Amino acid sequence: SQELEQSPQSLIVQEGKNLTINCTSSKTLYGLYWYKQKYGEGLIFLMMLQKGGEEKSHEKITAKLDEKKQQSSLHITASQPSHAGIYLCGADKAGGTSYGKLTFGQGTILTVHP
Amino acid sequence: DTEVTQTPKHLVMGMTNKKSLKCEQHMGHRAMYWYKQKAKKPPELMFVYSYEKLSINESVPSRFSPECPNSSLLNLHLHALQPEDSALYLCASSPQDRRVPDTQYFGPGTRLTVL
Repeated sequence: SQELEQSPQSLIVQEGKNLTINCTSSKTLYGLYWYKQKYGEGLIFLMMLQKGGEEKSHEKITAKLDEKKQQSSLHITASQPSHAGIYLCGADKAGGTSYGKLTFGQGTILTVHP
Repeated sequence: DTEVTQTPKHLVMGMTNKKSLKCEQHMGHRAMYWYKQKAKKPPELMFVYSYEKLSINESVPSRFSPECPNSSLLNLHLHALQPEDSALYLCASSPQDRRVPDTQYFGPGTRLTVL
């Protein structure tokens, strides 16, 4: 099964600073999803990456998938308090053969101080 | 519109009660999911319905009983739960259209407390 490891586990930054969260897989990723969650609430879809070397951006958040498709990074530029939350990476649980079975990393808790 | 709604938002129940969680989406998605999330842990998949048929049951105890009355609705019937079943229950849906990446969209969750 797909195992995803996120780092760091938690991150505290000052408003305006840039930051990066990493998600590493033990197997090739066939679809890598980034979600954001406020404590006790649902997951908000951010971005999905499929191709090696792919990069997507939305507002100040950029996600990349490496060429080997085993590592993804999420970069936030000029962080704001609204970026605070838990960031989760998720991937197809069995490497593309089990449609709909997502497994998640442990999450990264982001705190942004104004 | 990528909205998935869940009711109720909060639920407190005793171990002998029977209750139901409800999930609804009007995006025309053909797959719907139930996840369980304990505090400080990632969501764990419980059930998947594909085209209104149960396609995945992740060895969930029978005290949890899913139901998909139609393509827009998903219920989770609860009976004789244990205190350790207290968690945030998340519903999600996805298009399941092979022409596009199958992204799951989540509802806001139901916070369940079992006394």
